[in-house]
Amino acid sequence: AQTVTQSQPEMSVQEAETVTLSCTYDTSESDYYLFWYKQPPSRQMILVIRQEAYKQQNATENRFSVNFQKAAKSFSLKISDSQLGDAAMYFCAYRSAGSGNTGKLIFGQGTTLQVKP
Amino acid sequence: GAVVSQHPSWVICKSGTSVKIECRSLDFQATTMFWYRQFPKQSLMLMATSNEGSKATYEQGVEKDKFLINHASLTLSTLTVTSAHPEDSSFYICSASMMNTIYFGEGSWLTVV
Repeated sequence: AQTVTQSQPEMSVQEAETVTLSCTYDTSESDYYLFWYKQPPSRQMILVIRQEAYKQQNATENRFSVNFQKAAKSFSLKISDSQLGDAAMYFCAYRSAGSGNTGKLIFGQGTTLQVKP
Repeated sequence: GAVVSQHPSWVICKSGTSVKIECRSLDFQATTMFWYRQFPKQSLMLMATSNEGSKATYEQGVEKDKFLINHASLTLSTLTVTSAHPEDSSFYICSASMMNTIYFGEGSWLTVV
């Protein structure tokens, strides 16, 4: 079975600074997807970034980028130029790419990010 | 606008009663939907996979007789919490996949008093 681990329950960053959230996962599959989701106090799940395992290039979305290390099974999220609106709970998630998977996600424990003005 | 919609957003029910939460896919058909449960400051835990026209697939440890899932149409899945108790109070959220993108509903807060 696949597992996702986020070892940082809480993180704090100064506004305009950079912060990195850690995520490791365990799987025996070779093809899969990894995601970072943001959950603000509204509880709406917002997709931040997505990485296909077969792609070596790290995904980037504006101020958000990942460091995907497939061999190490590590998938960290870097937030640059942190903004107050980035404060939220962040979840790392895994999804098998197998044809039988139609959207089932396995989530890490979450990291609460605080942004200080 | 929302691609997946949940209703109600908030519900309070008395202990021992049943409550139904709806998850609708808007403008697309979802043969499979997923139900998650989230306690405060915790992660989303998959409860079950809702399959249109067939029985739901429950995760280990989830009581299928307590959490009834019905997926009678391609755009609607319902989660019914039967004989609810205060420990069932939680945030319930559904998701569906379209074009290989996963969309989440807004979630439903259940409080059992």
